Amino acid sequence: QLQLQESGPGLVKPSETLSLTCTVSGGSISSSSYYWGWIRQPPGKGLEWIGSIYYSGSTYYNPSLKSRVTISVDTSKNQFSLKLSSVTAADTAVYYCARRSAAGNDYWGQGTLVTVSS
Amino acid sequence: IQLTQSPSSLSASVGDRVTITCRASQGISSYLAWYQQKPGKAPKLLIYAASTLQSGVPSRFSGSGSGTDFTLTISSLQPEDFATYYCQQLNSYPHTFGQGTKLEIK
Repeated sequence: QLQLQESGPGLVKPSETLSLTCTVSGGSISSSSYYWGWIRQPPGKGLEWIGSIYYSGSTYYNPSLKSRVTISVDTSKNQFSLKLSSVTAADTAVYYCARRSAAGNDYWGQGTLVTVSS
Repeated sequence: IQLTQSPSSLSASVGDRVTITCRASQGISSYLAWYQQKPGKAPKLLIYAASTLQSGVPSRFSGSGSGTDFTLTISSLQPEDFATYYCQQLNSYPHTFGQGTKLEIK
């Protein structure tokens, strides 16, 4: 059974860089059938698509975040990562990693709350 | 592409038939998915390609539409269906979500 698990600091200071990793188990991140992505949800609000990556390294970002976002993949570790720079309180959210198939985002991590505060 | 869901919230009773709509700001063919999210949990994929039921999802859920107008229907509400529902377009980047529809018990 495929599982995704987010990891990283739960507290980040304003103006610093948020860094999260998603570890994939039970399947290969190098499969040609899938993209791997990040989605976030501010407390009490809706879902926001951040971006996604293919195992080859091709990336797609939300234009609203593009200048601050970097998504990378490490196929040797079966992981992909998110970096969001120059964070503010508005970046406080639950961050989810997810697999995207032709069907949509069919497997999700449990989510990790990242709070931006000094 | 913007997705607008209606209503934003809905009160209904067990056994009711419920319909949620999702309208896209431009045509997205059938590249639309529906998710269910319960408090403190990750979203769960219910329907993809506008009308295809994801494996394991009860048949009381159904989806329809193409182009710009889509619907999610729950034929007979069960207690476990009270949750927030989101649509997402996968036609073009960024893969935007609707703002959500909160389904509450009447």
